[in-house]
Amino acid sequence: EAQVTQNPRYLITVTGKKLTVTCSQNMNHEYMSWYRQDPGLGLRQIYYSMNVEVTDKGDVPEGYKVSRKEKRNFPLILESPSPNQTSLYFCASSTRGGFTEAFFGQGTRLTVV
Amino acid sequence: GESVGLHLPTLSVQEGDNSIINCAYSNSASDYFIWYKQESGKGPQFIIDIRSNMDKRQGQRVTVLLNKTVKHLSLQIAATQPGDSAVYFCAENRGPNGGATNKLIFGTGTLLAVQP
Repeated sequence: EAQVTQNPRYLITVTGKKLTVTCSQNMNHEYMSWYRQDPGLGLRQIYYSMNVEVTDKGDVPEGYKVSRKEKRNFPLILESPSPNQTSLYFCASSTRGGFTEAFFGQGTRLTVV
Repeated sequence: GESVGLHLPTLSVQEGDNSIINCAYSNSASDYFIWYKQESGKGPQFIIDIRSNMDKRQGQRVTVLLNKTVKHLSLQIAATQPGDSAVYFCAENRGPNGGATNKLIFGTGTLLAVQP
């Protein structure tokens, strides 16, 4: 089954404690991206990747890092989480540039206290 | 399931009626426009897209209309079913100088509530 898998689904952490949210896709897609979703703001793009070792900033990259060492994986790293990073995070992958026809993961609910 | 937003614009329709969800966009240089559906507790799901050189595209039970003159996009759902209840997002593929990019800008969403 074609899917994008994020882990964990729920995470509560404390300010400043480094964390990683993993994302894996089994469709051999070149393009992957991370979004955060906040009430009233819709989805905002954090980072995206066009292929292995090729990444670029989206609209809200501050406080986040990503890496793309393998085609299937695109982890999101929060080196020093802060409460304003409390949000619902989605990973997406697509075989097409522009992220049309993208597949999204189930989401990761992150709470930073 | 997860709440995807508070105080979203809501469209309430009767089962079997047609639904029209509207979206205004800001960048006349955007190349692609895309509709996504998000059910409670799930990630967005691609519905249909349209390129800027088109004004209409049809899918299965859905039609997207693009009016570049007034920067307006709409999604029409025929014979709306309870399973269509979800939040619907429009998104534009926006580059600084036009053309396709990998930056996707989402709208804030519309909640479609289908009454049986």
